[in-house]
Amino acid sequence: KQEVTQIPAALSVPEGENLVLNCSFTDSAIYNLQWFRQDPGKGLTSLLLIQSSQREQTSGRLNASLDKSSGRSTLYIAASQPGDSATYLCAVPSSGNTPLVFGKGTRLSVIA
Amino acid sequence: EAGVAQSPRYKIIEKRQSVAFWCNPISGHATLYWYQQILGQGPKLLIQFQNNGVVDDSQLPKDRFSAERLKGVDSTLKIQPAKLEDSAVYLCASSPVRAPGANVLTFGAGSRLTVL
Repeated sequence: KQEVTQIPAALSVPEGENLVLNCSFTDSAIYNLQWFRQDPGKGLTSLLLIQSSQREQTSGRLNASLDKSSGRSTLYIAASQPGDSATYLCAVPSSGNTPLVFGKGTRLSVIA
Repeated sequence: EAGVAQSPRYKIIEKRQSVAFWCNPISGHATLYWYQQILGQGPKLLIQFQNNGVVDDSQLPKDRFSAERLKGVDSTLKIQPAKLEDSAVYLCASSPVRAPGANVLTFGAGSRLTVL
């Protein structure tokens, strides 16, 4: 059974800092890995999707890396802004072509 | 394109009462998911539909939860009778095809349930 862990559970940083969020998963036979953002009271917005054959994906100030063999992914946020404050969740298909299994998320606060 | 629509956004009920949530996925999306997100946790899949058929309902508490997707479009999720531990946000998501490797899920804003 796939399990996803995210560290840290919460993070507070001053504006402008670069930061890294971590995600680990127990079953390395994944289809892909996705990073989502969730604002309070809102649904989830997909940020990046990394296919199992890829090592990383970039979108603007966000860069996600994937190391399948070690069961780890990181989300790097450059030059953080107060608008980046949200909960960030990573998710993987539990096995093969199946629905997403989510971590508990990292709650990020960027202080102006 | 219009997003995934969910209603109601908020619902407060007493335990042992019943409640129903509605979801309208993105037009043309064959796959529909219901997730339960308890405060401080990640979303947990309750049920997955492909068109109007159930693909995965292994984590749905079938003694109290039911879901249907008539005509392969809208879906309803019902809880009867509700328990205190059902307090959560119920998220609906849709994707064009079943394969998560090829498509990104689009989530609705969720329906927040509080059971007193």
